[in-house]
This record gives sequence, structure tokens and C-alpha cells, in this order.
Amino acid sequence: RKEVEQDPGPFNVPEGATVAFNCTYSNSASQSFFWYRQDCRKEPKLLMSVYSSGNEDGRFTAQLNRASQYISLLIRDSKLSDSATYLCVVNSYSSASKIIFGSGTRLSIRP
Amino acid sequence: SQTIHQWPATLVQPVGSPLSLECTVEGTSNPNLYWYRQAAGRGLQLLFYSVGIGQISSEVPQNLSASRPQDRQFILSSKKLLLSDSGFYLCAWTVDYGSAKLRQFFGPGTRLTVL
Repeated sequence: RKEVEQDPGPFNVPEGATVAFNCTYSNSASQSFFWYRQDCRKEPKLLMSVYSSGNEDGRFTAQLNRASQYISLLIRDSKLSDSATYLCVVNSYSSASKIIFGSGTRLSIRP
Repeated sequence: SQTIHQWPATLVQPVGSPLSLECTVEGTSNPNLYWYRQAAGRGLQLLFYSVGIGQISSEVPQNLSASRPQDRQFILSSKKLLLSDSGFYLCAWTVDYGSAKLRQFFGPGTRLTVL
């Protein structure tokens, strides 16, 4: 079983729709969680951290469920510019190498 | 503010040729540094990480090597490239304080094609 698993998609949704991704992780000792966005042929960029209490940044909401070991990303009122691959990242403070990236979920927003 | 540089941006090399990719970070000291490779349409594969000068940990056996000759410089090398070395090479560094611990930031990457 992979340490971090994501549905690869692609998710193809109309502009204005709400879309949600989940990401599951296997290491219960994981301590910090992030969502990154990667545009085609570009480097990943940090989208948002994920906190236990849940957090929101504009149209984006991230949630963490430690009991079930998953994190989620919700995008409301999706824009064409949201088309990208979304990577979930799970870290453990115990080792500098324990930064695990999911393989990403591709999102395509259609007009 | 911190900045991470990588060069070259693109590279086409013949099989069997050597490789040297460089990454430098500005605006921070003693960062943790990482090399990743991303094959076309695939996820990120961690190749090497370094917590300090001369300290390199290898995550995956490769025909690649890494060195950290200075605090903010990280170099990825190969003596003889293979076709399978083609990919998008990304250097990254981590912020390591407080609640921002282990946030990772990436350089612009080097797209390597081995022919």
C-alpha cells in the first residue's frame, strides 16, 4: 500500500461547479499536511496547509480527519484557472526525508 | 525573502554522457535540501536529501549522485546518463520553524531529455 494515495482523476467539471478531492495516508504518526498545485510542465507550488480544525482560503477549504487518516480539498465556484494537478503532501517531523507526495489528482475545468 | 534557483531549465543529453545540475538557495541558512525527479505524467520521486554541508542521504539506488559543497548549494550528478534518467528534476528546500515546519518550496526545475 502506498503511503499517500490519491485518485488520479482526471476530474472534468464545468466552470462554477464545486469539486472535492480526498487523499489517504497510512502513517498514523504523520504530523503536517499540505496541498500543492502543479501546472503542466511547472514546479509544484504550495496551495495551503491543512490543519486539524479545517481551514479556508477563499474558494478553497482543506480538512483533516486523523481518525480516518485522510485529508480533503474542496474547491467552490471553480474557475478555468483552477485546472491543474493537485498533490497532497504528508510529513513527519521525525525525519527530514519523510515528506511524502501523492501522485496527484488532475482537475480540468471546462467552460 | 527566500529564492531557489535551478539551471539549466532544459537539457538534452546523449546516453552515456555526464550530468551536472545545480541548485542554489538565497535568503536562508542551513536549509534542508532535496532533489526529486518526476517522469512524464507521474508523481514526484525523492532522489536525495541533505540536512547540511557534506551530508547526503540517498532514497533510491540510482546511477545518480548528489553533493552539497556549500550550505546553500546542492548538485545532482551522473557519470553516465541512461535513457531512464529523462524527466523533470526539481530541487526543493524546507522551511523548518514553528507551525510552518516542513513546508517545502520548489525551484523551477530542469527538464532533462536523454536521447
